[in-house]
Amino acid sequence: GAGVSQSPRYKVAKRGQDVALRCDPISGHVSLFWYQQALGQGPEFLTYFQNEAQLDKSGLPSDRFFAERPEGSVSTLKIQRTQQEDSAVYLCASSIRTGTGRSNYGYTFGSGTRLTVV
Amino acid sequence: QKEVEQDPGPLSVPEGAIVSLNCTYSNSAFQYFMWYRQYSRKGPELLMYTYSSGNKEDGRFTAQVDKSSKYISLFIRDSQPSDSATYLCAMSSYNFNKFYFGSGTKLNVKP
Repeated sequence: GAGVSQSPRYKVAKRGQDVALRCDPISGHVSLFWYQQALGQGPEFLTYFQNEAQLDKSGLPSDRFFAERPEGSVSTLKIQRTQQEDSAVYLCASSIRTGTGRSNYGYTFGSGTRLTVV
Repeated sequence: QKEVEQDPGPLSVPEGAIVSLNCTYSNSAFQYFMWYRQYSRKGPELLMYTYSSGNKEDGRFTAQVDKSSKYISLFIRDSQPSDSATYLCAMSSYNFNKFYFGSGTKLNVKP
């Protein structure tokens, strides 16, 4: 598609519920990133994929968070046993290139999934 | 202390004003510096990109990087109401696989 598509746009979960957030990157984009944006804050890095390989998951806040990209295109971020502190906007971004060189490798972000845990 | 500091504002200016937005950072390994614009309930959109120190101009926008002071700026000339948004600075080291964002400055340009 023309942009990065995320679904659902809004998700309300009861504390303790598992959720799955989907990201459809721009076709052909090699790199895919997940960021978490709390209210009034900038995005914070969660994890990075190059094709199907998860090369960096250092930002995942706990073992309740899990991300996958099995075929190197669509990615899913799963949060188990949601807690109130998980309430945030989850942003997905994709980029055509891998992380080397000096050219403009700016990401294209989706509009995010706003997760509210009640 | 966060790696990237940015004044959250809000900043309110009249239409036509010159706007100055700034970030400071602590990690000397940062090589790539970006400015993103984020409208309400939308994802960030890349505005400007700079590698290492120096200036870059694109239309009404100018980005400046001073690595010796660990300070970056975005200037908006002839500001328009459509520029009203949150502006985020972002930085990365050489591998470009992880961005560190500021907390964002909310800008309001009044007609």
